[in-house]
Amino acid sequence: DAKTTQPPSMDCAEGRAANLPCNHSTISGNEYVYWYRQIHSQGPQYIIHGLKNNETNEMASLIITEDRKSSTLILPHATLRDTAVYYCIVRVAGGSQGNLIFGKGTKLSVKP
Amino acid sequence: DGGITQSPKYLFRKEGQNVTLSCEQNLNHDAMYWYRQDPGQGLRLIYYSQIVNDFQKGDIAEGYSVSREKKESFPLTVTSAQKNPTAFYLCASSRNFYNEQFFGPGTRLTVL
Repeated sequence: DAKTTQPPSMDCAEGRAANLPCNHSTISGNEYVYWYRQIHSQGPQYIIHGLKNNETNEMASLIITEDRKSSTLILPHATLRDTAVYYCIVRVAGGSQGNLIFGKGTKLSVKP
Repeated sequence: DGGITQSPKYLFRKEGQNVTLSCEQNLNHDAMYWYRQDPGQGLRLIYYSQIVNDFQKGDIAEGYSVSREKKESFPLTVTSAQKNPTAFYLCASSRNFYNEQFFGPGTRLTVL
């Protein structure tokens, strides 16, 4: 079973920031938070990952709460091409289980 | 261009036939994975390989087989023993078992 909880769907206006929440209340100290997205009928695309500190790259920012029980993926200026299903995944990096466990994710619809 | 290729994009087979899905990567990644996705669902791990000539069963390996004779290639055979083979199949690779995974475009298999 996925260790994360995400809302099934969200809407966002084009040009506005999209804030996608994820709860991972049972996360362990050595588990990272990963975000992927999947545009319809394509393979998932890696976005970002983090352990404790906030992270930013050219695609998005990841904000992890101090207790690490939840996180938020931020797309600062959403475009229509950001419409996709977004998956939040917790995973041990360095353990015996390197595979990703995908839940159902959040379907983000960016509207004009 | 470096990346992961899967062929073909669409595949049709008659019930009772074995079929092999191709996955090739030129990223020099050690680890490769096969996932299955059903409509409206997340991804489920079929098999993974951490290194050449080694592979492990994932969560839903029954009815599938793989080989890893070359670092670049990780073909998946869907056998007639797989009860519900119609699905979207995704191949992924990562630098090693602990790094972020990069996905191919997927193969949509339909068994008639």
